[in-house]
Amino acid sequence: SQKIEQNSEALNIQEGKTATLTCNYTNYSPAYLQWYRQDPGRGPVFLLLIRENEKEKRKERLKVTFDTTLKQSLFHITASQPADSATYLCALGGDNQGGKLIFGQGTELSVKP
Amino acid sequence: GAVVSQHPSRVICKSGTSVKIECRSLDFQATTMFWYRQFPKQSLMLMATSNEGSKATYEQGVEKDKFLINHASLTLSTLTVTSAHPEDSSFYICSASQGDGYTFGSGTRLTVV
Repeated sequence: SQKIEQNSEALNIQEGKTATLTCNYTNYSPAYLQWYRQDPGRGPVFLLLIRENEKEKRKERLKVTFDTTLKQSLFHITASQPADSATYLCALGGDNQGGKLIFGQGTELSVKP
Repeated sequence: GAVVSQHPSRVICKSGTSVKIECRSLDFQATTMFWYRQFPKQSLMLMATSNEGSKATYEQGVEKDKFLINHASLTLSTLTVTSAHPEDSSFYICSASQGDGYTFGSGTRLTVV
């Protein structure tokens, strides 16, 4: 069955450093991969989408890579700030999936000042 | 940007009663909306896909008679948890597609006592 795994442990980093989060998947060939931010008690907020034919995508301090051979995506936050502390979710989707997304369990990021 | 409004944000109900959760797209039309539930520290699990003007499509293992979905207009989908029990206590979130990503509601924390 389809499986998505993100860093199971919470990630604690110092302000100003780069945070790198991992999303691995098996038994699936997604057409695209998305990253979301979720704060406690709130719904996820869309950050970035990267398609299967794209290697890298950037948006301000965020960078996402997508390696369909390794079946892995890396999500980087550069110059991290305490305000970046949240849970980050990766989600996979396919063009023939009717818009359905499969979510990973999320990685909790804590940026210390 | 696209906004999805979800109400109520919190609800406490007695076991055996029914609860209705509303999800509205405020500035766009959503022919399809998705309903998820999320347990603490776990991933979002898709419950059903709500299609305007037609029956919802439920994921395997989700009881359609217990989780009634109505999508009567292009801007409103409702989820009714019927005869709620304590095990239905969870965080319910709706979403709709807008552009590259999906816009999520702020979620509804349901507690059944």
